[in-house]
Amino acid sequence: KAGVTQTPRYLIKTRGQQVTLSCSPISGHRSVSWYQQTPGQGLQFLFEYFSETQRNKGNFPGRFSGRQFSNSRSEMNVSTLELGDSALYLCASSLDRRETQYFGPGTRLLVL
Amino acid sequence: GNSVTQMEGPVTLSEEAFLTINCTYTATGYPSLFWYVQYPGEGLQLLLKATKADDKGSNKGFEATYRKETTSFHLEKGSVQVSDSAVYFCALMKTSYDKVIFGPGTSLSVIP
Repeated sequence: KAGVTQTPRYLIKTRGQQVTLSCSPISGHRSVSWYQQTPGQGLQFLFEYFSETQRNKGNFPGRFSGRQFSNSRSEMNVSTLELGDSALYLCASSLDRRETQYFGPGTRLLVL
Repeated sequence: GNSVTQMEGPVTLSEEAFLTINCTYTATGYPSLFWYVQYPGEGLQLLLKATKADDKGSNKGFEATYRKETTSFHLEKGSVQVSDSAVYFCALMKTSYDKVIFGPGTSLSVIP
């Protein structure tokens, strides 16, 4: 069974631009969660989607948004990028909340 | 609020040494507890978990016991290998409707 895939793996943007990251969960998984990982703040929860509905949201500004499609694939969008948005963005999927989360390799975003 | 505290790293051990990484948590009730491992350049992988007091999670020679009385979930391995070099994250999930909260991570380097 294929694992969680994230595209692109690496991305360089400049301040003020916007970016869209994609996550394809393991087949059959309906829950997708997004995390931001930085050396200073560690792993921080962004949001979780289940069956196209956002079920939980972390403490991030409205510039961070996401969505989930009917095939469970998910995208997250960051608008008006800031230098501090440089991070590794991880996606995790699971059958449902209480089930084990499987992580993708992440998208490394660098904002210049 | 809910939180996870881990021992500060980095930790450097010689091959075949005994490993302990301390983890304590703050949460009411009986959260589920997890250890994740992140190898260089990869996403997180679930290493082991425990869902109730006195449960022992184990995998690949690693063990951790859910201690409600000390609110701890320390990770142990009897004999580490160079291939165990990675960052280890302790995490908790309060209920099936809550996000997963991660500790700051502990970097482990095992030298031959």
